Amino acid sequence: KQEVTQIPAALSVPEGENLVLNCSFTDSAIYNLQWFRQDPGKGLTSLLLIQSSQREQTSGRLNASLDKSSGRSTLYIAASQPGDSATYLCAVNTDKLIFGTGTRLQVFP
Amino acid sequence: NAGVTQTPKFRVLKTGQSMTLLCAQDMNHEYMYWYRQDPGMGLRLIHYSVGEGTTAKGEVPDGYNVSRLKKQNFLLGLESAAPSQTSVYFCASSYSKINIYEQYFGPGTRLTVT
Repeated sequence: KQEVTQIPAALSVPEGENLVLNCSFTDSAIYNLQWFRQDPGKGLTSLLLIQSSQREQTSGRLNASLDKSSGRSTLYIAASQPGDSATYLCAVNTDKLIFGTGTRLQVFP
Repeated sequence: NAGVTQTPKFRVLKTGQSMTLLCAQDMNHEYMYWYRQDPGMGLRLIHYSVGEGTTAKGEVPDGYNVSRLKKQNFLLGLESAAPSQTSVYFCASSYSKINIYEQYFGPGTRLTVT
């Protein structure tokens, strides 16, 4: 059974730091992996989608990598800002999305 | 282009009552999904649909029914609500095969069953 784990569960950092959020999964037979952002009381916003054949995807200050063989993905946030404060979720696609429980990020001025 | 919308945003039910949650998307997506989100458990798939007139069970389907009579709408029904169904419900849609295309989520419905 596919299990997705995100570490750390919570993170608090000063503005300007570069961050790495981790996502690990137990079964490497995935189609793709998606990173989402969720603001309190809101829905999920898709940040990046990495197909299983890809190694990384970039969007602005965000970079996500995928190492399928080791069951790991990282989301790198450069030069963090208070507006980046949110919960970040990763989900692996095995013909349905299996979600991790998220990393709650707080960036303080 | 409103994306994915959900109605209602909040609802309080008493045990045994019934209700229907409505999801609508205006992106002409084939696939639609219903999830529930509970603290410490992440999002779990309840039911999904791969096209108009089709439905399929997800990970936690018990106590829920769904219908997809129109391509743009996906309804989630609770016939006899239980306190264990207190949760935040999210609808999502994707263009086509979920192994290729990303999913787009609605804002959620917060349901409390007393």
